[in-house]
Order: sequence, then C-alpha cells, then structure tokens
Amino acid sequence: DAKTTQPTSMDCAEGRAANLPCNHSTISGNEYVYWYRQIHSQGPQYIIHGLKNNETNEMASLIITEDRKSSTLILPHATLRDTAVYYCIVRVGGSSNTGKLIFGQGTTLQVKP
Amino acid sequence: DAMVIQNPRYQVTQFGKPVTLSCSQTLNHNVMYWYQQKSSQAPKLLFHYYDKDFNNEADTPDNFQSRRPNTSFCFLDIRSPGLGDAAMYLCATSRDHRGSGYEQFFGPGTRLTVL
Repeated sequence: DAKTTQPTSMDCAEGRAANLPCNHSTISGNEYVYWYRQIHSQGPQYIIHGLKNNETNEMASLIITEDRKSSTLILPHATLRDTAVYYCIVRVGGSSNTGKLIFGQGTTLQVKP
Repeated sequence: DAMVIQNPRYQVTQFGKPVTLSCSQTLNHNVMYWYQQKSSQAPKLLFHYYDKDFNNEADTPDNFQSRRPNTSFCFLDIRSPGLGDAAMYLCATSRDHRGSGYEQFFGPGTRLTVL
C-alpha cells in the first residue's frame, strides 16, 4: 500500500472550514484514499473514502486531485468536537484487498473557539 | 444501536501474568481486527479474522494470540505480558474486506497497564 504524508498539526477556528491535506504520490490505480479520525481516548472513526471522484457525505468532503497524488479532507464547519487526529490511509481495493489499514502519524487538528 | 463493545475498558495485569481482552459486536460483520496503539503512536494491526480464518501480521509477536469462538466474539490473549505491551488495544469490525467501501468500525479500546 502506498505511503501517505500529512502535516503533523493544524489549527482551525470554530465555524470555519478545516482543510486537511494528504500527499500520496506513489498511489496506484486500484488504491483508494480513506480518512479516519481518532478523538482522544476513543477508537478511530471512519469519515469518508474515494478512488478518483470527489466525494461528500454528512461528515465531510473529499477532494482528490486529477493525478490522484494528493487529496484534501474538508470539514465544512468545524466544531470543537472535531478536535482529533485525522488519518489519511491508502488502501488497495478489489479482491486482493486484505482490509489492512496502515495508519501513519496523522494530522492533529485543534479547533479553537 | 449496533456496535463494537470492548471489555474491560481498563485492565491492569502483572508482568508475565496472562491476560485476555474481549471484543463483541452486534453488527454481524464477517471480519474482526485487533490493533495495538502505544502511547502517542498510530494504531498497528496485530491480526484479523475473516469468518473463522485467522490472519496474523508477520511482525506480530508470538506472545499475542487470538480466538474467535463465534461471529460475535473475539478475544486477544497475551500469554506473558511485558512492560512493552502496555498499550491501548482496539478491536474493529467490517462487513467484508474484499473490495472497497467496507469501512472498519472500532470499539472504544481497552487500555492495558502492565506492572
């Protein structure tokens, strides 16, 4: 599975959009981009995933560049409860998918009042 | 609500004394995973079950074993805990892992302290 690179930490003002970048320059054609987050002392929580197209759900939007070498997770209106470590993970799809999630160090997002 | 439950939330054991952590799920998912998360580190997969098929990660120490007696339950056994095994242990499930789109649902974790 391809490796991802994320900034170590970011701040965001409450109510503003939080844009979390992720580089995955070695991603291959059958690899999906997944985002999870982990609030302090809790288990990780799935946010969103995508292959090529931009995706949106009730939690966030995922923007994947055309060359797929990077992506951005967008929390449109960040709240204090969004303070967490955000993990960008690249994972193989298809029948060869073992389901393994390889977590990098993630981005610690601090939402401030 | 369907969920992943881990008991206990906090476990204290003595150096070398076997300990078992448990995980149960009401999601009826095929796959169950165990991750280890040491302080200030990212979670690391130890092993997983696809139904009854056990899949061990290559670098998981022999000290760690797992049992899955039925779909709902999965246990993590640490035969002789060392100080370095102190960590948060996370259980996760997914409906399947073949293909994409099968997100993993995590339990709250069990924090293990080794004295």
